[in-house]
Amino acid sequence: DAGVTQSPTHLIKTRGQQVTLRCSPKSGHDTVSWYQQALGQGPQFIFQYYEEEERQRGNFPDRFSGHQFPNYSSELNVNALLLGDSALYLCASSLYEYEAFFGQGTRLTVV
Amino acid sequence: GQQLNQSPQSMFIQEGEDVSMNCTSSSIFNTWLWYKQDPGEGPVLLIALYKAGELTSNGRLTAQFGITRKDSFLNISASIPSDVGIYFCAGYSGGGADGLTFGKGTHLIIQP
Repeated sequence: DAGVTQSPTHLIKTRGQQVTLRCSPKSGHDTVSWYQQALGQGPQFIFQYYEEEERQRGNFPDRFSGHQFPNYSSELNVNALLLGDSALYLCASSLYEYEAFFGQGTRLTVV
Repeated sequence: GQQLNQSPQSMFIQEGEDVSMNCTSSSIFNTWLWYKQDPGEGPVLLIALYKAGELTSNGRLTAQFGITRKDSFLNISASIPSDVGIYFCAGYSGGGADGLTFGKGTHLIIQP
């Protein structure tokens, strides 16, 4: 049983560019959440998707957007990248909102 | 917003020692979770706690949900080298809250 998978694993982008990160949830899970983890910090909640709708959102600007597909996979889009967007982006899937299982993350570097 | 205070920030221990770390909050949580994260990897769920006062074990790991619902602790008995990593507590308050709230982590280092 495959767990949560994310792609790509690493990414380097230039300031002002746009990026799309992808996530496939654990089999049987219907809820996908995205987190940003800066170096030396705990993950910060970005938003959560359920039934292809954004259900909850953390304190992140509108430059961060997402999508969930009918097969429950999800994308995170970030527009107008800033240096401060450099972080590990984690996708988590769950059947219940709170018991989240994480992928290995995508390391985004903005230069 | 809600914040979790996790302590200690780092621990230097000898192999075989017991470890204790805790997490406190200014707000009530309905669920407490403990994760371990290795370098370059995502967090791995260790233990989930759902009721105030609940004590749950997973092998050498034991965690408790504080009765005030504002704290939780994690104990690791007889530490081994593979226990090295960063341990995070996370809380969920439910009712449409903003996902999981994480602490800043406890970095566990085992001295040779």
